[in-house]
Amino acid sequence: EVQLVESGGGLVQPGGSLRLSCAASGFTFSSYDMHWVRQATGKGLEWVSYIGTAGDTYYSDSVKGRFTISRENAKNSLYLQMDSLRAGDTAVYYCARSTITRKGLEYWGQGTLVTVSS
Amino acid sequence: QSVLTQPPSVSAAPGQKVTISCSGSNSNIANNYVSWYQQLPGTAPRLLTYDNGKRPSGIPDRFSDSKSGTSATLVITGLQTGDEADYYCGTWDSRLNVVVFGGGTKLTVL
Repeated sequence: EVQLVESGGGLVQPGGSLRLSCAASGFTFSSYDMHWVRQATGKGLEWVSYIGTAGDTYYSDSVKGRFTISRENAKNSLYLQMDSLRAGDTAVYYCARSTITRKGLEYWGQGTLVTVSS
Repeated sequence: QSVLTQPPSVSAAPGQKVTISCSGSNSNIANNYVSWYQQLPGTAPRLLTYDNGKRPSGIPDRFSDSKSGTSATLVITGLQTGDEADYYCGTWDSRLNVVVFGGGTKLTVL
């Protein structure tokens, strides 16, 4: 059974940093592209970042230069390092796995809440 | 303001059919896959359809999709009360090099 479990969320002050983790199991982690998607309370889905199997990365304009996505295949883990956090980054952050054809986000974690507030 | 445009809400009676539209552009829908997601209240999104009509294991064939030019459509037949949820379209945007989602459509089963 495919499982994605996020951790690392919490309350952080504006300007602070936080590192999210996503522990993957039930599939060959190194063979799949991975994403981070966030959702502010009462709002829609907002894509944050992508990392391919070859380590290629993409970011939304809203986080580019502040967030860094990475993966550690030996540990079946995905990460999101978030720096210079702003109030607008407050959201539930989901990690998601691509389909094998890279044409959809097939499996999602339960999400971890990040709150940026003083 | 989302790159992909969806109606904020749709409604229909149990047993009926509903369509949800998703409008984009040449840089996204017209030249890339479209995927559809269902988000039940308080839960993570779930992939419904992808790659021109494919459905993950466990998704009933009441859910189907289509695409024409810069628009895509999700069709749900035989509506059930359990289908009440938010629905999102998503795709890759080749000009922006990002994944884009629609703003979401709230389905009410009357």
